[in-house]
Amino acid sequence: AQSVTQLDSQVPVFEEAPVELRCNYSSSVSVYLFWYVQYPNQGLQLLLKYLSGSTLVKGINGFEAEFNKSQTSFHLRKPSVHISDTAEYFCAVRKNTGGFKTIFGAGTRLFVKA
Amino acid sequence: EAGVTQFPSHSVIEKGQTVTLRCDPISGHDNLYWYRRVMGKEIKFLLHFVKESKQDESGMPNNRFLAERTGGTYSTLKVQPAELEDSGVYFCASSQEALRPPLHFGNGTRLTVT
Repeated sequence: AQSVTQLDSQVPVFEEAPVELRCNYSSSVSVYLFWYVQYPNQGLQLLLKYLSGSTLVKGINGFEAEFNKSQTSFHLRKPSVHISDTAEYFCAVRKNTGGFKTIFGAGTRLFVKA
Repeated sequence: EAGVTQFPSHSVIEKGQTVTLRCDPISGHDNLYWYRRVMGKEIKFLLHFVKESKQDESGMPNNRFLAERTGGTYSTLKVQPAELEDSGVYFCASSQEALRPPLHFGNGTRLTVT
C-alpha cells in the first residue's frame, strides 16, 4: 500500500520569499507523484506531476518539484511567492501499474504575508 | 469544456436523515472517483467507477453509503442514515483513462451532519 506524509500542516511565509513544502511517500512499487492546489471555495487543481524521466518537474505558477527516489521525497518549491499563492497544497501518489487509486497527504496550508 | 460539476455545494442535515450528492464528470470521461475529506485530515478515496461499473469500492466506509452511476454518466452518492462522523467535504473527480493521470476535480460538496 502507498502512503503520503506532508511534514508541515501550515507554512507562513512573507511575499517574495522562497518556500518549500515537504512531501515524503511510502510505496513498495513504482509510483506517479502529484501536487495539487486548492484555492478557497474551489476544487483541487493539478500543479504538477512526475510520471517518468527528468526528476525535476516544473508546473504552473512558477512551482517546481524534485523527485528523490532514494529519499522517497517529492518536495514542492517556489523561489518567490505571491499573495495569490495562499492556498492548501496536497501531495499525492498513485501506483504506475495497475490500481487506479490516488492517495493524498493531509495537506499543507501556505499563508503568504505582505 | 465544462469541468466536473458537483451539487449541492453545501448541505446541512440532521443525524438520521438522508442526503444525496451528485457529480457530473467531464463529458467523455469514463472514470469517475469519489473522495472525502474530514476536517483537517487527508483526502480519502471512496470508490472508482469505470462507466457504470464499480471498479474499486474499497474506500466506502460502511453500508450507509451507496454510490451509483446509471448509464455511465453522472453519479450519485447517497448517505442513509447520516451520522455525525459523515461530515466533511465530498469531492468527485474524473479522468478520461484510468491509466492516464491526472484527475480533474469538482469543487466538492460540504456536508454537515448535526
